[in-house]
Amino acid sequence: EPEVTQTPSHQVTQMGQEVILRCVPISNHLYFYWYRQILGQKVEFLVSFYNNEISEKSEIFDDQFSVERPDGSNFTLKIRSTKLEDSAMYFCASLRGGSGYGYTFGSGTRLTVV
Amino acid sequence: DQQVKQNSPSLSVQEGRISILNCDYTNSMFDYFLWYKKYPAEGPTFLISISSIKDKNEDGRFTVFLNKSAKHLSLHIVSSQPGDSAVYFCAASEGDKIIFGKGTRLHILP
Repeated sequence: EPEVTQTPSHQVTQMGQEVILRCVPISNHLYFYWYRQILGQKVEFLVSFYNNEISEKSEIFDDQFSVERPDGSNFTLKIRSTKLEDSAMYFCASLRGGSGYGYTFGSGTRLTVV
Repeated sequence: DQQVKQNSPSLSVQEGRISILNCDYTNSMFDYFLWYKKYPAEGPTFLISISSIKDKNEDGRFTVFLNKSAKHLSLHIVSSQPGDSAVYFCAASEGDKIIFGKGTRLHILP
């Protein structure tokens, strides 16, 4: 069964550093997403990406964050100048169609900012 | 602003019994409701969904009920098994965005 692949599974970074979280969505999917889950809290929507541009973003997704699909297969989340409160599980997801039904999530990247 | 609420952070059920997980929502514009299951160190896995125009959807041991007037849905798992122990997220779809509840941790007791 097709999978969404995320790397690395765990990333530790110093406060103020930049990190790039990588995702390979399912190849025939058209919509791509990043969600995050701070420990003990709910899974939160960050951003959706379609047709090579951001289609929607949440309040969390401020200028510190950016997304890119550089080569037609990878989908990356860049966090500039990381803060302690950015520590969370970051989940990538992809979707073939345009409704919320049928998401496939990756296994997540645990980001720890120290 | 919690549009999707799961008021029980955890639930313990004896093996073989029925597990019932509840969820409330506030936005009447949601068009799909979904349940996701999550094991530690894994991403959420789609379990079952229901369109807002239906009131019941069944898939094997899993049934989701939707009560639109009460803005309430529930997930019933019959013959609960140890492998059902996980965190269950209720979610609602608004267009292509999913809004998750905080999750309910289900423990199946031997």
